[in-house]
Amino acid sequence: DSGVTQTPKHLITATGQRVTLRCSPRSGDLSVYWYQQSLDQGLQFLIQYYNGEERAKGNILERFSAQQFPDLHSELNLSSLELGDSALYFCASSPRTSDYEQYFGPGTRLTVT
Amino acid sequence: DQQVKQNSPSLSVQEGRISILNCDYTNSMFDYFLWYKKYPAEGPTFLISISSIKDKNEDGRFTVFLNKSAKHLSLHIVPSQPGDSAVYFCAASSYGGSQGNLIFGKGTKLSVKP
Repeated sequence: DSGVTQTPKHLITATGQRVTLRCSPRSGDLSVYWYQQSLDQGLQFLIQYYNGEERAKGNILERFSAQQFPDLHSELNLSSLELGDSALYFCASSPRTSDYEQYFGPGTRLTVT
Repeated sequence: DQQVKQNSPSLSVQEGRISILNCDYTNSMFDYFLWYKKYPAEGPTFLISISSIKDKNEDGRFTVFLNKSAKHLSLHIVPSQPGDSAVYFCAASSYGGSQGNLIFGKGTKLSVKP
């Protein structure tokens, strides 16, 4: 158990809808990272937050947004969902902004029908 | 364009033998490399890492080798155990530590047969 929690575990929704994925980092970790793993793809970095502020952006679509709250939990919002958004979404955390080693949650499996 | 490549999608090894997982990268600015292990229905778990100033790092049964001139790294598992069966991801850092996001390969599925 990495100490990172993600909810929900599974999510099934229709195209055009909007969903919110939630992540609680390990106790004391200030950085939260979001990754997407599509079929046959490695993990693609989406976005990083550090202590409430956005620190780095990767291949995140404009339809996706994220935030980190004062209690350090983070939410990833996915809107106008398309079939291609079906994937595993992982959250990871680390103590600081410049840590190489990140601790991953179990992931949320999103299925768009 | 994939900056981190794991060209073998799968590898099968007999218990007790050596497992060698390979990874190639294209970005010469990468300065830190990591291996993660992933079991089904779980998130990736950090396994071992190496800085670009080293060419070898060892942790128990796991050793990572880095060949910067060839832009190649490998993970050796000796001896391999059935519990090592998992997907192994190679990852690299592209920001020199100022930002922690990682670039991952697509993974190699290792099967260790008893």
